[in-house]
Amino acid sequence: DAGVIQSPRHEVTEMGQEVTLRCKPISGHDYLFWYRQTMMRGLELLIYFNNNVPIDDSGMPEDRFSAKMPNASFSTLKIQPSEPRDSAVYFCASKGGAWVNTEAFFGQGTRLTVV
Amino acid sequence: TQLLEQSPQFLSIQEGENLTVYCNSSSVFSSLQWYRQEPGEGPVLLVTVVTGGEVKKLKRLTFQFGDARKDSSLHITAAQPGDTGLYLCAGGRNTDKLIFGTGTRLQVFP
Repeated sequence: DAGVIQSPRHEVTEMGQEVTLRCKPISGHDYLFWYRQTMMRGLELLIYFNNNVPIDDSGMPEDRFSAKMPNASFSTLKIQPSEPRDSAVYFCASKGGAWVNTEAFFGQGTRLTVV
Repeated sequence: TQLLEQSPQFLSIQEGENLTVYCNSSSVFSSLQWYRQEPGEGPVLLVTVVTGGEVKKLKRLTFQFGDARKDSSLHITAAQPGDTGLYLCAGGRNTDKLIFGTGTRLQVFP
């Protein structure tokens, strides 16, 4: 398996523009997580899905952020409109199984810069 | 509010030295995981501890889960430059949600 695949790897956009980040989880995994990583706040959980259904979106910063999982092999995280403070590395992770001890596999991340 | 605090935040040592990284919380966790992250990559799981007082060894790395399951430590013996990276603890509390600690950035110089 190729692992969790995220695209793009890097994104530079102007303030006010819409940004869409993409993730393909490992086949067969029923959980998908979106995290944001910054030096100041570390790795923060934004939202996670189980069987394509959003379970907890309490970490989503505000209404400018939205996430979807239309099927088991694809998820998107959208920011509209983007702001400079959204600059961070966004990670997608997937795991198979509900048990919290199950290993989460991370993608390589998308480095977002909003200027 | 950060549920899992790690210390130290940064650590720079010479090859061959020993070190310990701590992960502390005021909350009880059903399990704790340790991940290592290298530049440009996502975190990769090192170990999972589930029982209070549990000790696990992975070559030169020793992981311990506190008796009360509120804290954990990672000890590295004879550190090598290949151990350089960001070490993250992550806890679960009877849900499928995994919360990460603040991280410890380790640099091992040859």
